[in-house]
Amino acid sequence: NAGVTQTPKFRVLKTGQSMTLLCAQDMNHEYMYWYRQDPGMGLRLIHYSVGEGTTAKGEVPDGYNVSRLKKQNFLLGLESAAPSQTSVYFCASSYPGLAGSSLHRNEQFFGPGTRLTVL
Amino acid sequence: GNSVTQMEGPVTLSEEAFLTINCTYTATGYPSLFWYVQYPGEGLQLLLKATKADDKGSNKGFEATYRKETTSFHLEKGSVQVSDSAVYFCALSPIELGAQKLVFGQGTRLTINP
Repeated sequence: NAGVTQTPKFRVLKTGQSMTLLCAQDMNHEYMYWYRQDPGMGLRLIHYSVGEGTTAKGEVPDGYNVSRLKKQNFLLGLESAAPSQTSVYFCASSYPGLAGSSLHRNEQFFGPGTRLTVL
Repeated sequence: GNSVTQMEGPVTLSEEAFLTINCTYTATGYPSLFWYVQYPGEGLQLLLKATKADDKGSNKGFEATYRKETTSFHLEKGSVQVSDSAVYFCALSPIELGAQKLVFGQGTRLTINP
C-alpha cells in the first residue's frame, strides 16, 4: 500500500495563476482532509470530505476549492493564487471506525506534503 | 471553542535526557487526544492517542496520560535518542457527528544532540 500520496511535491506560482493539488489514498478511507502548515501555527484545516461527492469548509477555506469525485481522490484548487497562500499543504485521510468503537476513530494518515510558493 | 496549547519551542536536549513536552487543551465534552510527530521532510505520523480520561497512550518509549482534571496531555520519554529529533504536535478531535476533524497545537521542535 502506498498510503496517502500527494502530487506535486513542490510548485512555484506567480500571483494570479491557478493550480490543482492532487491527493490519493489507497486505504479505502471515507474521510479526507486538506491542511496548510505555516510556521508557528501548526496545521489548519482548509476543507474536508466525509465521502465521495461531499465536501465541507474547514477553518481557513477562503481562496480554495475542493472536489471529491472519486472516493480515493481529493483535489485542492487555487483559482487565483496569492502570496498569502505560500505554505506547505498536507492531505490526510481517516477511517470512521465502527459504531460505538474507538478503534481507529479519528486517526488520520498524512501524505508527505506539497510545498507551494506564490511569488 | 476548541483549542490546543503546546509549550514553546525549540527544545534542545542531550541524548538520554528526560523529555517532557506540555500540552493543554480547551474543548467541550470529552475529546480524543493525540500526539503526532513530523520528521524532517515528511508528513505527520500518529505517535500515540488516548480516547478517554485517565487513558495512557504509549509508543516507541513515549507516553502521555489524558488528564481531564487539568485538561492536559503531556508527552514524556525517559531517555531520548538523536533519532527522536522532530516536530511534535498535540491535537484533539472534538466529539462531533459526521466528521473527525483535528485541532492542532502549534508544534514543538525537538533537537537531540549526541
